[in-house]
Amino acid sequence: AQSVTQPDIHITVSEGASLELRCNYSYGATPYLFWYVQSPGQGLQLLLKYFSGDTLVQGIKGFEAEFKRSQSSFNLRKPSVHWSDAAEYFCAVDPNQAGTALIFGKGTTLSVSS
Amino acid sequence: GAVVSQHPSRVICKSGTSVKIECRSLDFQATTMFWYRQFPKQSLMLMATSNEGSKATYEQGVEKDKFLINHASLTLSTLTVTSAHPEDSSFYICSANPLSLGLAGRETQYFGPGTRLLVL
Repeated sequence: AQSVTQPDIHITVSEGASLELRCNYSYGATPYLFWYVQSPGQGLQLLLKYFSGDTLVQGIKGFEAEFKRSQSSFNLRKPSVHWSDAAEYFCAVDPNQAGTALIFGKGTTLSVSS
Repeated sequence: GAVVSQHPSRVICKSGTSVKIECRSLDFQATTMFWYRQFPKQSLMLMATSNEGSKATYEQGVEKDKFLINHASLTLSTLTVTSAHPEDSSFYICSANPLSLGLAGRETQYFGPGTRLLVL
């Protein structure tokens, strides 16, 4: 079945440590891929996106993500986490590559410890 | 650019009443807007696709007579929760794809800040 999987429900990282949030998708063709961040009670902010080309994409707030076709993954990374990064992170796909509705993973809650 | 607003940000209503939520694209036009629902600690689930000038397309299991969607212009879509009940309490989020930013912009959805509905 077509799906987006974020295996980690909750991750705690020390401030200043590196971060990797995992995302795997299950679709026949490579969909458009997105990472969004949601702070408590807020809407979603786009961190970065991948449509084609360079498989390492840079986003806002120092985030980057790498698309790996062989692993059907689009993991989000940040070299040094700040306390303000604590939030909910959603991986999403546009399976039709056409600006249609997104399919979201269940999200990963990031906590940052001091 | 590409800002989407929602109004109200939160609303409390009595069971049996109707509530209208507005979604506006402030600096771009969108023929298509999407309505999502998010329960606490859960992901976003697509409810319906709102098309300017035509009927909305609802996802399976979403009652179209309960969740009325009107996409009256290229910058405004409304979601009306009719005869609301406590189980309709949720966080409702809309999104839109910009028409005017070219192909790349069109394929990126921008989300509103959400509307928290509490039905007593």
